Amino acid sequence: SQQGEEDPQALSIQEGENATMNCSYKTSINNLQWYRQNSGRGLVHLILIRSNEREKHSGRLRVTLDTSKKSSSLLITASRAADTASYFCALNTGGFKTIFGAGTRLFVKA
Amino acid sequence: EAQVTQNPRYLITVTGKKLTVTCSQNMNHEYMSWYRQDPGLGLRQIYYSMNVEVTDKGDVPEGYKVSRKEKRNFPLILESPSPNQTSLYFCASSSDGTVKEKLFFGSGTQLSVL
Repeated sequence: SQQGEEDPQALSIQEGENATMNCSYKTSINNLQWYRQNSGRGLVHLILIRSNEREKHSGRLRVTLDTSKKSSSLLITASRAADTASYFCALNTGGFKTIFGAGTRLFVKA
Repeated sequence: EAQVTQNPRYLITVTGKKLTVTCSQNMNHEYMSWYRQDPGLGLRQIYYSMNVEVTDKGDVPEGYKVSRKEKRNFPLILESPSPNQTSLYFCASSSDGTVKEKLFFGSGTQLSVL
């Protein structure tokens, strides 16, 4: 399968803790993106990291990409209850498709 | 406000009754796509369009049709819906025709086929 595989499938943490989600894939990529989905709503783009980049930051989000290991991680620092959502990695392999993984469900307890 | 608009938000229908889910974007995006989301399977691509009058199959196109007569609209047509098409559907668009940029998503259409 070309899709990314997120790990863990589910994560439960306390407010204020950091949350780390991982995405592994098997094919070459043009870029890798992370999206958030709140309870059956539309996905919202968080960060796009290109294959020649190793790390990107956006507010409390930090994304790393290791193309040699074909893996990426999303770190959410100082999590809040409002961060409770599903998080998806999505791969662009250079064609006309963006391929999504099955997601990580994050629950942040207040 | 820049957005992708899907309608309806919820739809209940019966097997075999043709239906259309509309999708419109106001960002002048070249690329548009339809996904379905099922529990544990993530999002799977149904069809996509790189530009007006240019469409192609995604990973799960069977039972669906699309058209792209105008840049802003990309309707999804189910000619003869079946219960296995019960799912949450999302339309998305991107400024780049080769989708090397981020996707903007609609709010989704929850379809139930009885």
